Amino acid sequence: AQSVSQHNHHVILSEAASLELGCNYSYGGTVNLFWYVQYPGQHLQLLLKYFSGDPLVKGIKGFEAEFIKSKFSFNLRKPSVQWSDTAEYFCAVNTKAAGNKLTFGGGTRVLVKP
Amino acid sequence: GAVVSQHPSWVICKSGTSVKIECRSLDFQATTMFWYRQFPKQSLMLMATSNEGSKATYEQGVEKDKFLINHASLTLSTLTVTSAHPEDSSFYICSARDTLAPLPAFFGQGTRLTVV
Repeated sequence: AQSVSQHNHHVILSEAASLELGCNYSYGGTVNLFWYVQYPGQHLQLLLKYFSGDPLVKGIKGFEAEFIKSKFSFNLRKPSVQWSDTAEYFCAVNTKAAGNKLTFGGGTRVLVKP
Repeated sequence: GAVVSQHPSWVICKSGTSVKIECRSLDFQATTMFWYRQFPKQSLMLMATSNEGSKATYEQGVEKDKFLINHASLTLSTLTVTSAHPEDSSFYICSARDTLAPLPAFFGQGTRLTVV
């Protein structure tokens, strides 16, 4: 069965700091990978996705993620965060073997101090 | 992006009553919709997969008689929490996939259910 692990439950940083959120998955076959963001009081929104091709994926709002197959990782990064990046971030994986269902990581709450 | 609308956004009900939550895809057709539950400070747990015109597929441990799912059209799925109890209080989120472009899924804004 596929599973997703996000190592950091909470991250606090100041504006302009760099952000990196870890995500590891367990599945040996072909995966589709996603990062979703949930701003306070809002619904989940897609930040970026990886299906195939260039392992460095650029998403909205200056976020990017790198798929490293050998490490089963899909870490999210942003070089310089803003206060408005305060949110909860979820990594998710989808595989054909699991019937195309999305499996989510535990989420990471990010607080950016102004 | 595509829009998924959930209604209501929040609901308070008495123990023993039933509550219906609607999930609509507003600008696309969704053969498949998913229902998730999110406990405080936890991730989304898939409850069931809702398929248009057929029975929903429930995840292990989810009571199908308690969480009734109906997906009567390509744009609407409903989740009914029957005989609700306080432990059913949670945040319920639906997601829908465009039939023509199945990935990624789009999410509704969620429904906060409080059973008193």
